[in-house]
Amino acid sequence: NAGVMQNPRHLVRRRGQEARLRCSPMKGHSHVYWYRQLPEEGLKFMVYLQKENIIDESGMPKERFSAEFPKEGPSILRIQQVVRGDSAAYFCASSRTGLVNQPQHFGDGTRLSIL
Amino acid sequence: AQTVTQSQPEMSVQEAETVTLSCTYDTSENNYYLFWYKQPPSRQMILVIRQEAYKQQNATENRFSVNFQKAAKSFSLKISDSQLGDTAMYFCLRGGGADGLTFGKGTHLIIQP
Repeated sequence: NAGVMQNPRHLVRRRGQEARLRCSPMKGHSHVYWYRQLPEEGLKFMVYLQKENIIDESGMPKERFSAEFPKEGPSILRIQQVVRGDSAAYFCASSRTGLVNQPQHFGDGTRLSIL
Repeated sequence: AQTVTQSQPEMSVQEAETVTLSCTYDTSENNYYLFWYKQPPSRQMILVIRQEAYKQQNATENRFSVNFQKAAKSFSLKISDSQLGDTAMYFCLRGGGADGLTFGKGTHLIIQP
């Protein structure tokens, strides 16, 4: 029973390029959450999605960042025109339902480095 | 694979009691960090306490303290004088080195009035 799969594990981009981070939730999970861990800081909630819907994007930067979770395929976190400050580890978690006491299962993260 | 194990999916205690959340981990590294994060219903991840593996002294932050036993790879969180606002999911994390962060599955802590 595979856990949450994130790819790539490491991603290097030059300033101005686009970064696409993928997250495949655990089997049977339809709720996905994205978090960002900035160097020297803690984890920051970004966005919560259920299949084809964005439920809560209160933690998403207003520009350049977007997320989707299509009916088929993984959830995608997309960062356009990346800047140095986007360098961070991005973690995805999934849960079976959106109830607050449902356990979230985390992936191994994608480390994004901006040159 | 490096793992972090939280053996208590859910715990419930009365307000003002002391509660201990357990966490064990696996690592082949010598230098690493351990964290406890609190996740309230807002889904934010709030850093509760952090421990550097090279430090023998247990970290303490107000009502929160840890019992770090490096040889046993154990990192439990003690909450003293528990408050209703402590109700949340608590995640134990191991980080550092090339492996990045590894999360435990979480413990749902309920503080009863």
